[in-house]
Amino acid sequence: TQLLEQSPQFLSIQEGENLTVYCNSSSVFSSLQWYRQEPGEGPVLLVTVVTGGEVKKLKRLTFQFGDARKDSSLHITAAQPGDTGLYLCAGATYTDSWGKLQFGAGTQVVVTP
Amino acid sequence: EAQVTQNPRYLITVTGKKLTVTCSQNMNHEYMSWYRQDPGLGLRQIYYSMNVEVTDKGDVPEGYKVSRKEKRNFPLILESPSPNQTSLYFCATQTGLAGDTQYFGPGTRLTVL
Repeated sequence: TQLLEQSPQFLSIQEGENLTVYCNSSSVFSSLQWYRQEPGEGPVLLVTVVTGGEVKKLKRLTFQFGDARKDSSLHITAAQPGDTGLYLCAGATYTDSWGKLQFGAGTQVVVTP
Repeated sequence: EAQVTQNPRYLITVTGKKLTVTCSQNMNHEYMSWYRQDPGLGLRQIYYSMNVEVTDKGDVPEGYKVSRKEKRNFPLILESPSPNQTSLYFCATQTGLAGDTQYFGPGTRLTVL
């Protein structure tokens, strides 16, 4: 079972549309990260959110961390074909000095021209 | 340029034939990890290393070995590969704690026949 559940698993939209990807858990995280992975490459960090209720914007991407630090969302405005990729969320918890990062299964986003 | 390199990028092998996937980083990071990525399961940590000669099991360590004799290198060893180890493997480094940025290599696609 996934500690972090991402939804939807797959999303196909037209260029110019908006989309939202969700990352949910029953666990509380110290921080939560969003990565984007393109075919044939490793994931690349987009953002880290740390504070409950935090909202971060990265151009057309808006990231929100839930008040209880158990969930997060990624909203893309006016999606472009370059936004196509696998979006992964990852939550950090600390039971030792280094901590642990748990990944969701990802949401595959396809933006067609 | 900050880099994590993996070799080989693609490998097809047969059951029981020992193999090593190499990972090297030039960022002087102490913490390195190996993940496997499978459809619907996301990234799962196999092993990690907090420094030279310090390694520990991740979530799915069975069938794998690692070593950390130098800070920059963290090879993944499959002593007797089996078909259930067919997967996409990523090496990653990070600056420190779990919530810090993870830098991923380009991946190694392994097929065990």
